[in-house]
Amino acid sequence: DAKTTQPPSMDCAEGRAANLPCNHSTISGNEYVYWYRQIHSQGPQYIIHGLKNNETNEMASLIITEDRKSSTLILPHATLRDTAVYYCIVRVHWDQFYFGTGTSLTVIP
Amino acid sequence: GAVVSQHPSRVICKSGTSVKIECRSLDFQATTMFWYRQFPKQSLMLMATSNEGSKATYEQGVEKDKFLINHASLTLSTLTVTSAHPEDSSFYICSARGPQGSNEQFFGPGTRLTVL
Repeated sequence: DAKTTQPPSMDCAEGRAANLPCNHSTISGNEYVYWYRQIHSQGPQYIIHGLKNNETNEMASLIITEDRKSSTLILPHATLRDTAVYYCIVRVHWDQFYFGTGTSLTVIP
Repeated sequence: GAVVSQHPSRVICKSGTSVKIECRSLDFQATTMFWYRQFPKQSLMLMATSNEGSKATYEQGVEKDKFLINHASLTLSTLTVTSAHPEDSSFYICSARGPQGSNEQFFGPGTRLTVL
């Protein structure tokens, strides 16, 4: 079962940073936080994942709170192509993915 | 990065027929693949875990006799929807556990099934 809570929808102005929150208050010590996104009628696309430390890659940054009960995905300069449903998932490595309801992000011109 | 393909991308069939969907890992070997189903405006729901050379493990509530999964090689898993009915119309997505050393899952582009 999904162990995360995300707001159902968010808007973001093009060129601005998009900050997508995720609550995972029951996360256990060996569970990672993963973020995927799904553009309409496509398969999910990997964005980033982390355990305790903040992470950054070419797509996004992941900020995990010290108690690991929540995290924020940051898209630094949102473009129209970033409009998608963003899923935050917690899992042990090699375990199955259980998707929650995700956040539908709309980037507005 | 690792690529997963699905075939067909969309299929329309008559009620009562069976439909086979293929999931292939193109540039890596995948000992474990996963099958998901997604209804309109809903999230992905895990149906089953497919391990090469062994029986699939189905999630609670998923009928194993209706959704037949075969994972006969390290690069191919198939999902057969038997005796399909309109309520089986959905978006079916597979994923593959990444190459050894990778902690990611790589998702296919999905197959849109419409049962008339």
